Amino acid sequence: KQEVTQIPAALSVPEGENLVLNCSFTDSAIYNLQWFRQDPGKGLTSLLLIQSSQREQTSGRLNASLDKSSGRSTLYIAASQPGDSATYLCAPCSNFGNEKLTFGTGTRLTIIP
Amino acid sequence: EPEVTQTPSHQVTQMGQEVILRCVPISNHLYFYWYRQILGQKVEFLVSFYNNEISEKSEIFDDQFSVERPDGSNFTLKIRSTKLEDSAMYFCASSGVTDLDNEKLFFGSGTQLSVL
Repeated sequence: KQEVTQIPAALSVPEGENLVLNCSFTDSAIYNLQWFRQDPGKGLTSLLLIQSSQREQTSGRLNASLDKSSGRSTLYIAASQPGDSATYLCAPCSNFGNEKLTFGTGTRLTIIP
Repeated sequence: EPEVTQTPSHQVTQMGQEVILRCVPISNHLYFYWYRQILGQKVEFLVSFYNNEISEKSEIFDDQFSVERPDGSNFTLKIRSTKLEDSAMYFCASSGVTDLDNEKLFFGSGTQLSVL
């Protein structure tokens, strides 16, 4: 059974800093891994999807890496802004077709203006 | 930008009552899902639906739960006889524009179900 751990559980940093969020998963037999953002009381927004054959994916100030063999992924946020404040969730997928994502408990990020 | 829409945003019901949560996935998507998040806990997979049938379900998705795509646009989750522990935020999601896709999931903003 896939288990996903995200460290740290919460993080507060001043605006403008670069930061790294960590995700580890126990079953390396995955098809892809997605990073999501969740704002309070809202749904989840997919930020990046890394296929199992890829090592990283970039979108704007976000860069996600994947080391499938060691069961790790990181989300790097450059030049953080107050609008980046949210909970970030990591979710590896063990089935083709995006079935059955397993979510971590998330990292609650606060960017201090 | 296309989005997944869910109604209602909040649903309050009495224990033992039936509830139907409604979702309109993105129109050209092929895969549909329900997830839930109990307050303070992880988002949990419930069920996936493809080609008009359930393709995968979790242990949570027991006989009290059912899903349906009654027409070309709606996707519903029915809980036959609600229990207190069914109280959660229920998220609908959709993905995939081709059979071979392995794409991002698009989530709705959720229905907060409160069972009293």
